Amino acid sequence: GAVVSQHPSRVICKSGTSVKIECRSLDFQATTMFWYRQFPKQSLMLMATSNEGSKATYEQGVEKDKFLINHASLTLSTLTVTSAHPEDSSFYICSAAHTGFGNTIYFGEGSWLTVV
Amino acid sequence: ELKVEQNPLFLSMQEGKNYTIYCNYSTTSDRLYWYRQDPGKSLESLFVLLSNGAVKQEGRLMASLDTKARLSTLHITAAVHDLSATYFCAVDMRYGGATNKLIFGTGTLLAVQP
Repeated sequence: GAVVSQHPSRVICKSGTSVKIECRSLDFQATTMFWYRQFPKQSLMLMATSNEGSKATYEQGVEKDKFLINHASLTLSTLTVTSAHPEDSSFYICSAAHTGFGNTIYFGEGSWLTVV
Repeated sequence: ELKVEQNPLFLSMQEGKNYTIYCNYSTTSDRLYWYRQDPGKSLESLFVLLSNGAVKQEGRLMASLDTKARLSTLHITAAVHDLSATYFCAVDMRYGGATNKLIFGTGTLLAVQP
């Protein structure tokens, strides 16, 4: 079964609204999680590092006010896309490393966001 | 800035043939990952290579790492249609300790023709 779970797997929202995507680590705690974005037929791009109990660290060029990240517990990180626009439509994937299991990196199932 | 490049970007091959996908990265790293992605799906982990000279094999796939050349290869032996997918290499951003922050290569779309 999935070790890192994302929800929802697919979401459609109207332009200008906000949408939240959850990333949960199952059976292990993760002080950091990572969010990636993948446009169709492109590679994955690291967006930000989600840090439990503190602010997220964003990669260069990623708007922190648009992509709000909250990591309120050791098993849950959320990504909120605020004031979504069609160009935000993408596949969002999170990951977490199981440090107690050889530092194995697990990826979530991904969340397809379509903004109409 | 760490950059990761793969070639070829697209590979069409016949069943039963062999081929190699190359992954070059621009700065020193000692953690390299290979993933498979099927259309519309997330990533499936194939290999983790953690040291110079590391070689790992699983079925028809074999991966190797040369940290001095900053090069990893994914070799496909006697390809079958089920191997059709996009393959990504990814490199940890830090040398000498994992950050678990990965920079992904451009990806190689593999199409195995019957």
